[in-house]
Amino acid sequence: QITLKESGPTLVKPTETLSLTCTFSGFSLTTSGVGVGWIRQPPGKPLEYLGVIYWNYNTQYRPSLRGRLAITQDVSKNQVVFTMTNMDPVDTATYFCAYHITGPYYFDCRGQGTQVTVSS
Amino acid sequence: EIQLTQSPFSLSASVGDRVTMTCRASQAIGTNLNWYHQEPGKPPKLLMTAAHRLQDGVPSRFSGSGSGKDFTLTINSLQPEDFGIYFCQQGYGVPFTFGQGTKLEIE
Repeated sequence: QITLKESGPTLVKPTETLSLTCTFSGFSLTTSGVGVGWIRQPPGKPLEYLGVIYWNYNTQYRPSLRGRLAITQDVSKNQVVFTMTNMDPVDTATYFCAYHITGPYYFDCRGQGTQVTVSS
Repeated sequence: EIQLTQSPFSLSASVGDRVTMTCRASQAIGTNLNWYHQEPGKPPKLLMTAAHRLQDGVPSRFSGSGSGKDFTLTINSLQPEDFGIYFCQQGYGVPFTFGQGTKLEIE
């Protein structure tokens, strides 16, 4: 059974860097075609794609956020780390990591997400 | 960036009703369209991939159709747990994008 769980701070100050960890089980990020993606949802707003890291370490980021985002993986720990620099109050949202595979390119969120507030 | 426009923005229906909602892409995306259902305070749940392929455990009252630019999600015989927000997402081109959602409310 696939599980993913996000962890990290719930409150960050403007201009700070957000770092979230996604710990997963039930699949391997060394399997061809597999990825872990990140999406977010500001309060009362739609889902927004942020980026993804693939089994081959390739990454893809939302163009409007490129330069602020970095997604890395630690295969030995079954973890993916999401980093976003220069946080702003508009980045306040619930952040989800998701199982993602090439082909249908869907995002299967198996965790509850983590709520991040950006405020001084 | 491929834009997805969902309609209606919201709709009201009763338990037992049949409802249909649509998702229109700004360019042809084949059948690379996925549907999600989100209840308040919960993560989005993946319902359907490739426009019509139900995920394991999703009831057969859900069905999807469409290709190219226009897609439809139909729910037959609505159940109380079906209310919430439905999102479509395209997997055709990066960046992947989501629609703005259709809110399904109890009448």
